[in-house]
Amino acid sequence: AQTVTQSQPEMSVQEAETVTLSCTYDTSESDYYLFWYKQPPSRQMILVIRQEAYKQQNATENRFSVNFQKAAKSFSLKISDSQLGDAAMYFCAYRTRGNDMRFGAGTRLTVKP
Amino acid sequence: GAGVSQSPSNKVTEKGKDVELRCDPISGHTALYWYRQSLGQGLEFLIYFQGNSAPDKSGLPSDRFSAERTGGSVSTLTIQRTQQEDSAVYLCASSPYTYNSPLHFGNGTRLTVT
Repeated sequence: AQTVTQSQPEMSVQEAETVTLSCTYDTSESDYYLFWYKQPPSRQMILVIRQEAYKQQNATENRFSVNFQKAAKSFSLKISDSQLGDAAMYFCAYRTRGNDMRFGAGTRLTVKP
Repeated sequence: GAGVSQSPSNKVTEKGKDVELRCDPISGHTALYWYRQSLGQGLEFLIYFQGNSAPDKSGLPSDRFSAERTGGSVSTLTIQRTQQEDSAVYLCASSPYTYNSPLHFGNGTRLTVT
């Protein structure tokens, strides 16, 4: 079965500090995209960052970056200089060429002032 | 509108009744997904539509659940004879066909079965 595993149900970080959220996945496909989404209490799913499996270079979007280890099927999200507005549920996901789109169970991030 | 629209935002129904949830995707998006999110949980895949192709129904939890997409646009998720375990947020998302595109989500419908 193709799955996404987020082993940290909850994480906490001090404002202005750095936090890393873990994600591993299992797919038999060789070509796919990986995504991190953020879901604040408003329920709206917001794209944070995406990574193509064929690219070695890790994606970066402002304070958000990923550590993509294809052989290990690992795709962690690093948030630098954490802000109060970063508090949310974070979901890791992959999408294959066949448009199979699967999500992990999520990590709830709390940011302490 | 510019985004994915879902209606109603909230729905309270009695056990045993049928409900219909609507999703209006972004214009031009050929791919449409339905997910279920139970309280504090992840997204459970339900069904995927792509253009005029037969939908991928592999995630539907029982034959009480069905969905259709008319004219490649609006989609309706129907739950018959609702049960309390059906209580959840139902999220719809759309995207262009290409797999490198992120999904664009609606705000979901919160279904409560009493």
